[in-house]
Amino acid sequence: DAKTTQPNSMESNEEEPVHLPCNHSTISGTDYIHWYRQLPSQGPEYVIHGLTSNVNNRMASLAIAEDRKSSTLILHRATLRDAAVYYCILNAGGTSYGKLTFGQGTILTVHP
Amino acid sequence: NAGVMQNPRHLVRRRGQEARLRCSPMKGHSHVYWYRQLPEEGLKFMVYLQKENIIDESGMPKERFSAEFPKEGPSILRIQQVVRGDSAAYFCASSPSLGTYKNIQYFGAGTRLSVL
Repeated sequence: DAKTTQPNSMESNEEEPVHLPCNHSTISGTDYIHWYRQLPSQGPEYVIHGLTSNVNNRMASLAIAEDRKSSTLILHRATLRDAAVYYCILNAGGTSYGKLTFGQGTILTVHP
Repeated sequence: NAGVMQNPRHLVRRRGQEARLRCSPMKGHSHVYWYRQLPEEGLKFMVYLQKENIIDESGMPKERFSAEFPKEGPSILRIQQVVRGDSAAYFCASSPSLGTYKNIQYFGAGTRLSVL
């Protein structure tokens, strides 16, 4: 799997937007961009994924650069419950299965 | 719809004993993955199974570890003759068999193994 680079940590205040960046300059044309998060003492949780176009769901938005070499996960209004480690992962998608390769992720701290 | 169920949540074993970790995937999922998270480290892939088949075991330690996903019943991760270095959180994930995008993985809450 292609490698991703994320900041080690970020901080936010409650109810403010949070933009979590991810660089993936070696992404291939068939790689999907996944985001997962892991709350303290819990298993990872799927957040969102995309290929080329920006994506929105109830949890977050994913903004993908036009050249696909970077992406940004956007939490529109951070809550204390959003404090977690956020992982950006590239994975061959579509009809294929396979392992997820987790990096170190970004530790998000949300201040009340 | 129940999520991925792992049991036990916590398991304590003495060195040399066997550890059995169970994982029941979500309903309708026939693809199971095991990951390990050592203390202060990231999640590492161990093995990917479909019913009765091991598809990818590239992350499994060569000795003492085995995994199965029988036709009936949960997936089992078995660790023989545990050592202190096996102390970790073990997570199971499953992905759906049908659908437009199959490789979204849903994780269980994990089993935390402590080896004394």
